[in-house]
Amino acid sequence: NAGVTQTPKFQVLKTGQSMTLQCAQDMNHNSMYWYRQDPGMGLRLIYYSASEGTTDKGEVPNGYNVSRLNKREFSLRLESAAPSQTSVYFCASSALPGQKNTEAFFGQGTRLTVV
Amino acid sequence: GENVEQHPSTLSVQEGDSAVIKCTYSDSASNYFPWYKQELGKGPQLIIDIRSNVGEKKDQRIAVTLNKTAKHFSLHITETQPEDSAVYFCAGQTSGYSTLTFGKGTMLLVSP
Repeated sequence: NAGVTQTPKFQVLKTGQSMTLQCAQDMNHNSMYWYRQDPGMGLRLIYYSASEGTTDKGEVPNGYNVSRLNKREFSLRLESAAPSQTSVYFCASSALPGQKNTEAFFGQGTRLTVV
Repeated sequence: GENVEQHPSTLSVQEGDSAVIKCTYSDSASNYFPWYKQELGKGPQLIIDIRSNVGEKKDQRIAVTLNKTAKHFSLHITETQPEDSAVYFCAGQTSGYSTLTFGKGTMLLVSP
């Protein structure tokens, strides 16, 4: 049982390049999330998917897009990377079918540097 | 939307002392309050949570208290150990399928 798996773990991009961060969970969770973590700023929600087939903006969505590919997978895309997007990105999942307000499980994170 | 404030941002204690981290929230409709521990280089992991119908919850050396009237909740760690050193996040969530709002985190350092 792997939980939440993120790839890649590390990435360096040049300004203007694009990339997709991948996330998969094997816990049959309905909801999935993408957060970014910056020093002194805590965890800020970028986008989330409350259930398969739906996505919604979080607190800091500008410059990002997401795709809920199926129940297991939720990807985050940077179309044109900017230095301000240098951060550690975490994917998380929660909520078995019928559950509300339950523990969120986090992946190990992707450390992204944009130069 | 919900706003969660967390204090202090850093906390240094000696091994064996107690540590207390405090959070306040703004949305009176919030009813779920988890606490996460993040070790260096890892993702956050739930250590304890409390729901609005409960005032206190304990799990070995860790306890959380909730004051709904004052809209604040606290994490208490007793008999701290060096392995308790980490960043701790509080969070709040309103009813239904809404998202978690996190505090900015507290770096706890436990010195041997």
